[in-house]
Amino acid sequence: GQQVMQIPQYQHVQEGEDFTTYCNSSTTLSNIQWYKQRPGGHPVFLIQLVKSGEVKKQKRLTFQFGEAKKNSSLHITATQTTDVGTYFCAASGNTGKLIFGQGTTLQVKP
Amino acid sequence: NAGVTQTPKFQVLKTGQSMTLQCAQDMNHNSMYWYRQDPGMGLRLIYYSASEGTTDKGEVPNGYNVSRLNKREFSLRLESAAPSQTSVYFCASSVSGGRFGETQYFGPGTRLLVL
Repeated sequence: GQQVMQIPQYQHVQEGEDFTTYCNSSTTLSNIQWYKQRPGGHPVFLIQLVKSGEVKKQKRLTFQFGEAKKNSSLHITATQTTDVGTYFCAASGNTGKLIFGQGTTLQVKP
Repeated sequence: NAGVTQTPKFQVLKTGQSMTLQCAQDMNHNSMYWYRQDPGMGLRLIYYSASEGTTDKGEVPNGYNVSRLNKREFSLRLESAAPSQTSVYFCASSVSGGRFGETQYFGPGTRLLVL
C-alpha cells in the first residue's frame, strides 16, 4: 500500500540552529498535512499543502510541497526550546484516510 | 467545546483481560478513527468509521473490535489483551473523511500497558 517515508527519525540541535524534516512518497500525493506532537501530548494539525510547488510559512516554520507532489519538507529557522516535539507528515490515501510518516523527533539544547 | 475526549487516560491490564477504550467528540464530525502509536512507528490506523453506522479496518486491526455507538462516540475493544498491544492509543475525528483527506483532531490519548 501507499507509504510515506520521513527522515530523519531524530534530530538534536542547539537552540538557534535551523532544522529540516523531509517526507517522501513513491506515488503522487493529492495533498500533505503536517502535525506536531509535544512530548506527552497528542498530534496537533499545523498546515495542509495541496498545490504543486506550494510554499507556506508560519512564523519561523516553512512548509514546501514538491513540484512532482511526491515530497514535502518542514524547515524551522532559529529553533527555540518551544519547538521540541515530534513532527509528522501525513498524506491522503485513495480512500481519504491519512497515512502518517514515522515522525521526526526534535530535541533542542538551550 | 471539549473537542475529542478519551477515557481512561492510563490503564494496566494483565494478558488475557479485556477492556474498552472510549472516545467521544462534540464537533459534530462524521468520521472517527482509532490509531496506535509505538516508538519509531508513527501513527498506525487500527479502525475507522467514515460515518455513523459504518466501520472499516485500517492497517493493524487484528486483536481489536470497534463500535460506532452514535455520531459522537466510537469505542475500541480489546477482547483478550496481549503484551504486543502495549501502546498509546489515540482517537481522532474529522468532518467527513472525504476523498482528499481532511484535518484530523486528536484526543489526548490512552496509555495502555499489558503485562
